[in-house]
Amino acid sequence: GAGVSQSPSNKVTEKGKDVELRCDPISGHTALYWYRQSLGQGLEFLIYFQGNSAPDKSGLPSDRFSAERTGGSVSTLTIQRTQQEDSAVYLCASSPGLYSYEQYFGPGTRLTVT
Amino acid sequence: ILNVEQSPQSLHVQEGDSTNFTCSFPSSNFYALHWYRWETAKSPEALFVMTLNGDEKKKGRISATLNTKEGYSYLYIKGSQPEDSATYLCAFTGNQFYFGTGTSLTVIP
Repeated sequence: GAGVSQSPSNKVTEKGKDVELRCDPISGHTALYWYRQSLGQGLEFLIYFQGNSAPDKSGLPSDRFSAERTGGSVSTLTIQRTQQEDSAVYLCASSPGLYSYEQYFGPGTRLTVT
Repeated sequence: ILNVEQSPQSLHVQEGDSTNFTCSFPSSNFYALHWYRWETAKSPEALFVMTLNGDEKKKGRISATLNTKEGYSYLYIKGSQPEDSATYLCAFTGNQFYFGTGTSLTVIP
C-alpha cells in the first residue's frame, strides 16, 4: 500500500517568501505529525493532529509557522516570511492513533532559504 | 522541554560484534517509548513501541528493554551486520513527542 508522501521533495526559496509543504498520510491514519531536522540537530517536534481534535501547536517555533489538515487527511505546513534558520528537512509522519502507535514517516522536504 | 538523551553519540563495531545503546527519558507523564532506525537518505523506520515497565521486544537480531521507573531503555543488536549501519533514534511520548539526537552506528565489514 501507499506510504506517507510529501511534496515537494526539495524547495529553495528566498528569504522573506512564504512556502507551503504538503503531506499525504497513510489512508485511515488518524494522527499526523510534523517534525523538522536542522543541520546537525535531532528531530524537533512541531505539531500533531489527531482525528477531529484541535491540533497541538505547542512545538511550533514561531507564529510564522502554521499547519492545517483538511478533511482529516492531507496536511499543509506553511511558513511565512521565511528566514535562513528555517532551512531544514521537514518530515511528516502518520499513525493509526497517538502515543503508543508506530509512526510512519514520509521522505521529507528539504527546505533551503537563501 | 524534556530531555531525551541517547548514548553513545556514535560507535563503530566490527561485523559480528554485539552492541547496545541507551536512551534516558523522564520517568513522569510516560505514555510510550519508541525506537526508530534512520538510514542515510531514507526516512525513519519504526523498530519498537513499548508502553509497560519491563517490556521487552525483539525483531530478528534486534531487541529492546524498557524501565519506566528509572527512565531508561536499552536497544541491543546481536551479531551486527553492515546493513545495521544507521542512526538509531528513541522517542519519548508524554503529552508531546521528544526525540533523542540518536546513536550513529557504523558496522565495519
